[in-house]
Amino acid sequence: KQEVTQIPAALSVPEGENLVLNCSFTDSAIYNLQWFRQDPGKGLTSLLLIQSSQREQTSGRLNASLDKSSGRSTLYIAASQPGDSATYLCAAEYGNKLVFGAGTILRVKS
Amino acid sequence: NAGVTQTPKFRILKIGQSMTLQCAQDMNHNYMYWYRQDPGMGLKLIYYSVGAGITDKGEVPNGYNVSRSTTEDFPLRLELAAPSQTSVYFCAVGAGPDTQYFGPGTRLTVL
Repeated sequence: KQEVTQIPAALSVPEGENLVLNCSFTDSAIYNLQWFRQDPGKGLTSLLLIQSSQREQTSGRLNASLDKSSGRSTLYIAASQPGDSATYLCAAEYGNKLVFGAGTILRVKS
Repeated sequence: NAGVTQTPKFRILKIGQSMTLQCAQDMNHNYMYWYRQDPGMGLKLIYYSVGAGITDKGEVPNGYNVSRSTTEDFPLRLELAAPSQTSVYFCAVGAGPDTQYFGPGTRLTVL
Protein backbone atom coordinates (compact mmCIF):
# COMPACT_ATOMS: atom_id res chain seq x y z
CA LYS A 1 0.00 0.00 0.00
CA GLN A 2 1.25 3.48 -0.86
CA GLU A 3 1.59 5.50 2.33
CA VAL A 4 3.15 8.84 3.19
CA THR A 5 4.28 9.74 6.71
CA GLN A 6 5.31 13.12 8.07
CA ILE A 7 7.43 13.82 11.13
CA PRO A 8 7.05 15.72 13.39
CA ALA A 9 3.28 16.08 13.68
CA ALA A 10 3.73 19.53 15.22
CA LEU A 11 6.61 21.93 15.67
CA SER A 12 6.95 25.21 17.55
CA VAL A 13 10.03 27.36 16.99
CA PRO A 14 11.13 30.95 17.75
CA GLU A 15 11.27 33.42 14.90
CA GLY A 16 14.49 33.32 12.91
CA GLU A 17 15.23 29.65 13.45
CA ASN A 18 16.01 27.31 10.57
CA LEU A 19 13.91 24.15 10.54
CA VAL A 20 13.44 20.85 8.73
CA LEU A 21 10.22 18.98 8.06
CA ASN A 22 10.40 15.32 7.11
CA CYS A 23 8.35 13.20 4.74
CA SER A 24 8.72 9.50 3.95
CA PHE A 25 6.91 7.33 1.40
CA THR A 26 6.63 3.56 1.21
CA ASP A 27 6.56 3.10 -2.59
CA SER A 28 9.60 4.64 -4.29
CA ALA A 29 7.97 4.48 -7.77
CA ILE A 30 6.83 8.10 -7.54
CA TYR A 31 6.46 10.52 -10.45
CA ASN A 32 6.85 13.64 -8.34
CA LEU A 33 6.90 14.81 -4.73
CA GLN A 34 5.11 18.00 -3.76
CA TRP A 35 5.03 20.14 -0.68
CA PHE A 36 1.87 22.10 0.11
CA ARG A 37 0.93 24.74 2.63
CA GLN A 38 -2.50 24.86 4.28
CA ASP A 39 -3.68 27.81 6.35
CA PRO A 40 -6.48 27.23 8.90
CA GLY A 41 -9.86 26.87 7.21
CA LYS A 42 -8.35 27.16 3.74
CA GLY A 43 -7.47 24.94 0.82
CA LEU A 44 -3.96 23.85 -0.13
CA THR A 45 -1.35 25.88 -1.98
CA SER A 46 1.53 24.20 -3.76
CA LEU A 47 4.96 25.34 -2.56
CA LEU A 48 7.45 23.14 -4.36
CA LEU A 49 7.39 20.24 -6.77
CA ILE A 50 10.36 17.90 -7.19
CA GLN A 51 10.32 15.63 -10.18
CA SER A 52 11.53 12.07 -9.63
CA SER A 53 14.70 12.77 -11.64
CA GLN A 54 15.59 15.79 -9.49
CA ARG A 55 17.33 15.94 -6.12
CA GLU A 56 16.07 19.30 -4.89
CA GLN A 57 14.09 22.44 -5.61
CA THR A 58 14.36 25.90 -4.11
CA SER A 59 11.94 28.78 -3.81
CA GLY A 60 13.02 31.75 -1.73
CA ARG A 61 13.62 30.57 1.84
CA LEU A 62 12.30 27.10 1.06
CA ASN A 63 14.39 24.18 -0.12
CA ALA A 64 13.01 20.70 -0.70
CA SER A 65 15.11 17.60 -1.30
CA LEU A 66 14.19 14.18 -2.59
CA ASP A 67 15.90 10.82 -2.11
CA LYS A 68 13.85 8.25 -3.99
CA SER A 69 16.00 5.29 -3.04
CA SER A 70 15.44 5.85 0.67
CA GLY A 71 11.85 7.03 0.23
CA ARG A 72 12.43 10.41 1.88
CA SER A 73 11.95 14.11 1.27
CA THR A 74 12.74 17.07 3.48
CA LEU A 75 11.51 20.65 3.46
CA TYR A 76 14.00 23.14 4.82
CA ILE A 77 12.73 26.55 5.88
CA ALA A 78 15.40 29.18 6.49
CA ALA A 79 15.04 32.12 8.88
CA SER A 80 11.47 31.26 9.86
CA GLN A 81 8.89 34.02 10.26
CA PRO A 82 5.52 34.15 12.07
CA GLY A 83 3.86 34.25 8.65
CA ASP A 84 5.24 30.76 8.00
CA SER A 85 2.86 29.37 10.64
CA ALA A 86 0.62 26.86 8.86
CA THR A 87 0.25 23.15 8.20
CA TYR A 88 2.71 21.72 5.69
CA LEU A 89 1.74 18.61 3.76
CA CYS A 90 3.79 16.49 1.43
CA ALA A 91 2.24 14.41 -1.34
CA ALA A 92 3.69 11.68 -3.52
CA GLU A 93 2.38 11.39 -7.06
CA TYR A 94 1.57 7.93 -8.37
CA GLY A 95 0.03 7.87 -11.84
CA ASN A 96 -3.02 10.14 -11.82
CA LYS A 97 -3.14 10.46 -8.05
CA LEU A 98 -1.51 12.21 -5.12
CA VAL A 99 -1.09 10.39 -1.81
CA PHE A 100 -0.87 12.83 1.10
CA GLY A 101 0.81 12.72 4.46
CA ALA A 102 -1.04 13.90 7.56
CA GLY A 103 0.96 17.13 7.71
CA THR A 104 3.19 18.99 10.13
CA ILE A 105 1.61 21.87 12.06
CA LEU A 106 4.21 24.64 12.30
CA ARG A 107 4.04 27.54 14.73
CA VAL A 108 6.65 30.27 14.55
CA LYS A 109 6.66 32.44 17.66
CA SER A 110 7.55 36.13 17.47
CA ASN B 1 -11.96 34.50 -13.07
CA ALA B 2 -13.05 32.54 -9.99
CA GLY B 3 -10.74 29.51 -10.37
CA VAL B 4 -12.24 26.67 -8.31
CA THR B 5 -15.52 27.27 -6.48
CA GLN B 6 -17.21 24.95 -3.99
CA THR B 7 -20.71 25.19 -2.61
CA PRO B 8 -21.95 25.13 0.05
CA LYS B 9 -19.24 26.29 2.48
CA PHE B 10 -20.91 24.61 5.45
CA ARG B 11 -23.69 22.05 5.84
CA ILE B 12 -25.24 20.04 8.62
CA LEU B 13 -27.04 16.84 7.62
CA LYS B 14 -29.08 14.34 9.54
CA ILE B 15 -28.20 10.65 9.29
CA GLY B 16 -29.75 9.16 6.16
CA GLN B 17 -30.19 12.45 4.31
CA SER B 18 -28.71 13.05 0.87
CA MET B 19 -26.89 16.00 -0.61
CA THR B 20 -24.68 17.08 -3.48
CA LEU B 21 -21.47 19.01 -3.02
CA GLN B 22 -20.80 21.24 -6.00
CA CYS B 23 -17.44 21.95 -7.58
CA ALA B 24 -17.05 24.25 -10.56
CA GLN B 25 -14.00 25.56 -12.41
CA ASP B 26 -13.36 28.22 -15.03
CA MET B 27 -9.75 27.15 -15.69
CA ASN B 28 -10.62 24.73 -18.53
CA HIS B 29 -8.58 21.93 -16.96
CA ASN B 30 -9.35 18.28 -17.59
CA TYR B 31 -8.36 16.79 -14.23
CA MET B 32 -10.71 17.18 -11.26
CA TYR B 33 -10.48 15.54 -7.86
CA TRP B 34 -12.54 15.14 -4.69
CA TYR B 35 -10.75 14.69 -1.36
CA ARG B 36 -11.85 14.48 2.23
CA GLN B 37 -9.76 15.68 5.16
CA ASP B 38 -10.50 14.45 8.65
CA PRO B 39 -9.08 16.32 11.68
CA GLY B 40 -5.33 15.85 12.03
CA MET B 41 -5.17 13.75 8.88
CA GLY B 42 -3.99 14.24 5.35
CA LEU B 43 -6.26 14.33 2.35
CA LYS B 44 -7.83 11.08 1.17
CA LEU B 45 -8.85 10.78 -2.49
CA ILE B 46 -12.55 9.92 -2.98
CA TYR B 47 -13.01 10.11 -6.76
CA TYR B 48 -11.28 11.75 -9.66
CA SER B 49 -11.90 12.52 -13.33
CA VAL B 50 -9.44 12.98 -16.19
CA GLY B 51 -12.04 14.50 -18.49
CA ALA B 52 -15.74 14.86 -19.22
CA GLY B 53 -17.47 11.49 -19.15
CA ILE B 54 -14.61 9.74 -17.32
CA THR B 55 -14.51 9.06 -13.57
CA ASP B 56 -12.47 6.75 -11.37
CA LYS B 57 -12.49 5.64 -7.75
CA GLY B 58 -9.89 6.84 -5.33
CA GLU B 59 -8.90 5.45 -1.95
CA VAL B 60 -12.22 6.01 -0.09
CA PRO B 61 -15.13 5.94 -2.60
CA ASN B 62 -17.72 4.05 -0.50
CA GLY B 63 -20.82 6.11 0.25
CA TYR B 64 -20.18 8.60 -2.55
CA ASN B 65 -20.97 9.00 -6.23
CA VAL B 66 -19.77 11.41 -8.89
CA SER B 67 -20.54 12.41 -12.44
CA ARG B 68 -18.66 14.52 -14.97
CA SER B 69 -20.93 15.59 -17.80
CA THR B 70 -19.04 18.83 -18.52
CA THR B 71 -15.46 20.04 -18.22
CA GLU B 72 -16.55 22.72 -15.74
CA ASP B 73 -18.49 20.75 -13.13
CA PHE B 74 -17.73 17.74 -10.94
CA PRO B 75 -20.47 17.20 -8.32
CA LEU B 76 -20.05 14.77 -5.42
CA ARG B 77 -23.19 13.00 -4.22
CA LEU B 78 -23.78 11.56 -0.74
CA GLU B 79 -26.82 9.28 -0.85
CA LEU B 80 -27.29 8.15 2.77
CA ALA B 81 -25.27 10.38 5.05
CA ALA B 82 -23.50 8.72 7.98
CA PRO B 83 -21.57 10.26 10.91
CA SER B 84 -18.37 8.79 9.43
CA GLN B 85 -18.78 11.20 6.51
CA THR B 86 -18.32 14.21 8.77
CA SER B 87 -15.29 15.87 7.25
CA VAL B 88 -13.98 18.75 5.18
CA TYR B 89 -14.30 18.10 1.47
CA PHE B 90 -11.93 19.65 -1.03
CA CYS B 91 -12.24 19.79 -4.78
CA ALA B 92 -9.06 20.22 -6.84
CA VAL B 93 -8.55 21.02 -10.50
CA GLY B 94 -5.51 20.78 -12.74
CA ALA B 95 -3.92 20.14 -16.10
CA GLY B 96 -2.49 17.01 -14.51
CA PRO B 97 -2.03 15.42 -11.07
CA ASP B 98 1.08 17.54 -10.42
CA THR B 99 -0.68 20.89 -10.93
CA GLN B 100 -3.73 20.77 -8.68
CA TYR B 101 -5.47 23.96 -7.59
CA PHE B 102 -7.64 23.50 -4.55
CA GLY B 103 -11.00 25.00 -3.74
CA PRO B 104 -11.76 26.51 -0.31
CA GLY B 105 -13.54 23.38 0.94
CA THR B 106 -16.97 22.36 2.24
CA ARG B 107 -17.28 21.58 5.93
CA LEU B 108 -19.89 18.84 6.41
CA THR B 109 -21.28 17.61 9.70
CA VAL B 110 -23.59 14.57 9.90
CA LEU B 111 -25.59 14.26 13.11
